[in-house]
Amino acid sequence: DGGITQSPKYLFRKEGQNVTLSCEQNLNHDAMYWYRQDPGQGLRLIYYSQIVNDFQKGDIAEGYSVSREKKESFPLTVTSAQKNPTAFYLCASSRLAGRTEAFFGQGTRLTVV
Amino acid sequence: GQQVMQIPQYQHVQEGEDFTTYCNSSTTLSNIQWYKQRPGGHPVFLIQLVKSGEVKKQKRLTFQFGEAKKNSSLHITATQTTDVGTYFCADGSGNTGKLIFGQGTTLQVKP
Repeated sequence: DGGITQSPKYLFRKEGQNVTLSCEQNLNHDAMYWYRQDPGQGLRLIYYSQIVNDFQKGDIAEGYSVSREKKESFPLTVTSAQKNPTAFYLCASSRLAGRTEAFFGQGTRLTVV
Repeated sequence: GQQVMQIPQYQHVQEGEDFTTYCNSSTTLSNIQWYKQRPGGHPVFLIQLVKSGEVKKQKRLTFQFGEAKKNSSLHITATQTTDVGTYFCADGSGNTGKLIFGQGTTLQVKP
């Protein structure tokens, strides 16, 4: 069953701790993206990767880090430097970056207390 | 940089009324994509427009791309309660590889 999987669905962390959100796709897509969504707001781009072993900062990269060591995986680390990390995080993939439809995972709702 | 403005932010309609959301950019778009996010869900792709002046229809949904490729619209005819959700446009400018979303329009439909 092809698709994009994010885990976990809900995540709770204490302030000051780093946390890594998982994103895996088996669609053989080159491009992957991470977005942050706050209540009543749109999707803001954190990081994106057009191809394996390469990634670029999006509009709100501060306090986040990513890696793209494998084509199917694009984990996002929310570091303690992120001032307001509580949000809904969405991962997406597309065959060609920016030029073909994006498929989204179910999202991870991160709460930092 | 890439930025798309989407209006209105919210729209409440009576079931059966029409609905339109607009997406505007200050720069020429190579393509525009539209997505729908149901409450509590994730965005789902609806359509992509590429050509200047392009019009595409999906049942009661009509998508338009402006002649100058700087604006786009989504029109829903005779809304139904199943149309409830947030509709996003996205700028898929191929040069940068980014996919930048507008703020979205949240549609509420009163039965």
